Amino acid sequence: GAVVSQHPSWVICKSGTSVKIECRSLDFQATTMFWYRQFPKKSLMLMATSNEGSKATYEQGVEKDKFLINHASLTLSTLTVTSAHPEDSSFYICSKRTNEKLFFGSGTQLSVL
Amino acid sequence: GENVEQHPSTLSVQEGDSAVIKCTYSDSASNYFPWYKQELGKGPQLIIDIRSNVGEKKDQRIAVTLNKTAKHFSLHITETQPEDSAVYFCAASDNQGGKLIFGQGTELSVKP
Repeated sequence: GAVVSQHPSWVICKSGTSVKIECRSLDFQATTMFWYRQFPKKSLMLMATSNEGSKATYEQGVEKDKFLINHASLTLSTLTVTSAHPEDSSFYICSKRTNEKLFFGSGTQLSVL
Repeated sequence: GENVEQHPSTLSVQEGDSAVIKCTYSDSASNYFPWYKQELGKGPQLIIDIRSNVGEKKDQRIAVTLNKTAKHFSLHITETQPEDSAVYFCAASDNQGGKLIFGQGTELSVKP
């Protein structure tokens, strides 16, 4: 069964608004979770590593002020796309490690009008 | 850093035939190589993985082989079925930082 629950599965928003995506660990506590971004017909790009109780580690080129990550509890990490613009439209996927294997959520399709 | 190359980008086979997808990696420190299947609009699903202390692993119709010397690893799907149609991604990790570096993906189409 699924070990990661991600919500919402899709969201449409107006340009300038903020959108929050939730990623919840369903089995064990997840001190570390990962956020990926995927463009149509493209590979997965790691955006940031979310660490419980501390600041996220962002990959080079990812704007930390644009993509706010909060990992306040051992089972929940959130990604907030702030002041979204059409170029932020993409498929966002979270993941976590369980027994050294990486499992992904179902993804969130964000469309910014 | 690690770089993973995946080929082919698209693959079309007839139902019942075999499909092979190949990947190469650059970092000799990588020791964990998973394969994911992604259906349209869904997150990637782990289908099989292999560690560097093993040369081959099989799970029913799916097998993965690893050549550490050449830094190659491949996914083999036998007796393909239409439901195998999806995008497949290989990945590599040194398992220290937990980061997975993905290949570009292969869109597999199995024709009935």
